[in-house]
Amino acid sequence: GQNIDQPTEMTATEGAIVQINCTYQTSGFNGLFWYQQHAGEAPTFLSYNVLDGLEEKGRFSSFLSRSKGYSYLLLKELQMKDSASYLCAVRPTLGRAGSYQLTFGKGTKLSVIP
Amino acid sequence: DADVTQTPRNRITKTGKRIMLECSQTKGHDRMYWYRQDPGLGLRLIYYSFDVKDINKGEISDGYSVSRQAQAKFSLSLESAIPNQTALYFCATGPDYNEQFFGPGTRLTVL
Repeated sequence: GQNIDQPTEMTATEGAIVQINCTYQTSGFNGLFWYQQHAGEAPTFLSYNVLDGLEEKGRFSSFLSRSKGYSYLLLKELQMKDSASYLCAVRPTLGRAGSYQLTFGKGTKLSVIP
Repeated sequence: DADVTQTPRNRITKTGKRIMLECSQTKGHDRMYWYRQDPGLGLRLIYYSFDVKDINKGEISDGYSVSRQAQAKFSLSLESAIPNQTALYFCATGPDYNEQFFGPGTRLTVL
């Protein structure tokens, strides 16, 4: 089966740094994605990791450890507009049928306060 | 214009009614997906399609059917709607293994 865990809610202060963790147990692994979703809106792609290590993209970075089944999304210099839900998603299997499916976690609602 | 559009954006219907949600994309992607999102449950895959002739069930396909009328169009049908199908429905498209692009969503309420 597939299991993806992330905290339900987090609060952080404007200008600070926040780390959102995601752990997964899936049948195979072929990539981990992070999406941002503002309330009532569509998810938008943030990052993709398939190899261990840190991927940096501006204020956002994503880390992956495949041996630990663990990823985190790091947001620096938080802004009020970063208040949103952050979704961790795993592509669990190789092979044609599974290659394009994503299994999503339930999302972490981040509130940025002044 | 938006790359992925969904119609309608909001719909209220009654139990037992047939309803169709439509998705169109101008991105030229082969792969299209339908998800539903429920509070506390996250996004779950209903159906996905690799091309017009290739349609596959996702995690929660019972009670739903789909049609891929063209590369750019993928519709989701509820043959006989029930209240627990009340949810936010997203269509998504993707060019390959990686990122998926989501439409704005359809908020469906079944009374």
